[in-house]
Amino acid sequence: QVQLQESGPGLVKPSETLSLTCTVSGASITSYYWSWIRQPPGKGLEYIGYIYYSGSTDYSPSLKSRVTISVDTSKNQFSLKLSSVTAADTAVYYCVRLRPTTNYFDYWGQGTLVTVSS
Amino acid sequence: SYGLTQPPSVSVSPGQTASITCSGDQLGDKYACWYQQKPGQSPVLVIYEDSKRPSGIPERFSGSNSGNTATLTISGTQAMDEADYYCQAWDSSTVVFGGGTKLTVL
Repeated sequence: QVQLQESGPGLVKPSETLSLTCTVSGASITSYYWSWIRQPPGKGLEYIGYIYYSGSTDYSPSLKSRVTISVDTSKNQFSLKLSSVTAADTAVYYCVRLRPTTNYFDYWGQGTLVTVSS
Repeated sequence: SYGLTQPPSVSVSPGQTASITCSGDQLGDKYACWYQQKPGQSPVLVIYEDSKRPSGIPERFSGSNSGNTATLTISGTQAMDEADYYCQAWDSSTVVFGGGTKLTVL
């Protein structure tokens, strides 16, 4: 059974960097693509980006200048860094498994709320 | 940039058929999928590759995709199906989500 668990600070100050880690169990991180998706309170889903274990990445054009996704195969984890955050980055952040080629998300973490506030 | 448009809300009576649409330019040439999200929960994949159901998703959920419109159909809608539904596709090597549709069963 595939499980994903997000971890990281729930509160980040404006202009600082948001950092989250996703720990994957029940699947090898080298066998799939892995993604981050966020959802501001009361709003819809927003794609952030994905990574393959080889290091190949894709980022949303709207966030590309501030996003870095990395992978640690030794720990079966992948991570998100979002720099220069503002209140608009307040959201529930989900780590998700992406099935390539036909491109759908089949396993989701429980999500973690990150609030940007001083 | 590519956009997917969904109606903000759809209402259906219990036992009836609910249809939720997702519109995008030549969407039928791409694969569409659908997610169900209940309050306070993570999204759940209910349809992928236009019309396939993941294991554990009831048969009353079905999907189609042609022309500019993908459609999620829920036959014999139950109260437990009340949720937000999001369509998703892939365009120009990036992921696109629809704005979401709130399905009310009343």
